[in-house]
Amino acid sequence: GDSVTQMEGPVTLSEEAFLTINCTYTATGYPSLFWYVQYPGEGLQLLLKATKADDKGSNKGFEATYRKETTSFHLEKGSVQVSDSAVYFCALTAGGTSYGKLTFGQGTILTVHP
Amino acid sequence: EAQVTQNPRYLITVTGKKLTVTCSQNMNHEYMSWYRQDPGLGLRQIYYSMNVEVTDKGDVPEGYKVSRKEKRNFPLILESPSPNQTSLYFCASKRAQSSYEQYFGPGTRLTVT
Repeated sequence: GDSVTQMEGPVTLSEEAFLTINCTYTATGYPSLFWYVQYPGEGLQLLLKATKADDKGSNKGFEATYRKETTSFHLEKGSVQVSDSAVYFCALTAGGTSYGKLTFGQGTILTVHP
Repeated sequence: EAQVTQNPRYLITVTGKKLTVTCSQNMNHEYMSWYRQDPGLGLRQIYYSMNVEVTDKGDVPEGYKVSRKEKRNFPLILESPSPNQTSLYFCASKRAQSSYEQYFGPGTRLTVT
């Protein structure tokens, strides 16, 4: 079945540091890929998405590129802020009979210190 | 404001006492689903609904029931809760023909003792 693997966490950075959170996936067909963010005490919010190979999703300074050859969708940000502290989830939806279902990675806790 | 609401936000209960977690959305979305979030496992889908009166099992449906009598509401029912259902629960919705974005509720933290 479909699966998503995220890098082991948690991740602790100083403000203005560069962020990378690795994500790889296994899926049949051509999935759409997502990064969701969960701030403390809140539900998940869509951060960015990519629906086909080589697409780059971007939002709020975060970027991720859909790499079909390496089955990866790594999240990057050039300069993190304290307000970026949250849990980040990589996810995919494969369509077809699993229409609408999001398959999530285990989540990565990011803490940014001033 | 477009939103998904859940109630209650926090619940502590005892084994075997039936409970219902409500979910409501105001966006006229056809598709709704329930997920549970557990440490190290991410979110896993429990049940989903493509539209009114159309529901189906997700990956972890055991011990749960749902119903979809109205388009806006999708309650999650635990007939006989057990401690292994202690978790954080999220409801989500989306348009059937949307560009994939799903909207999540704020979560319900359930503890079963």
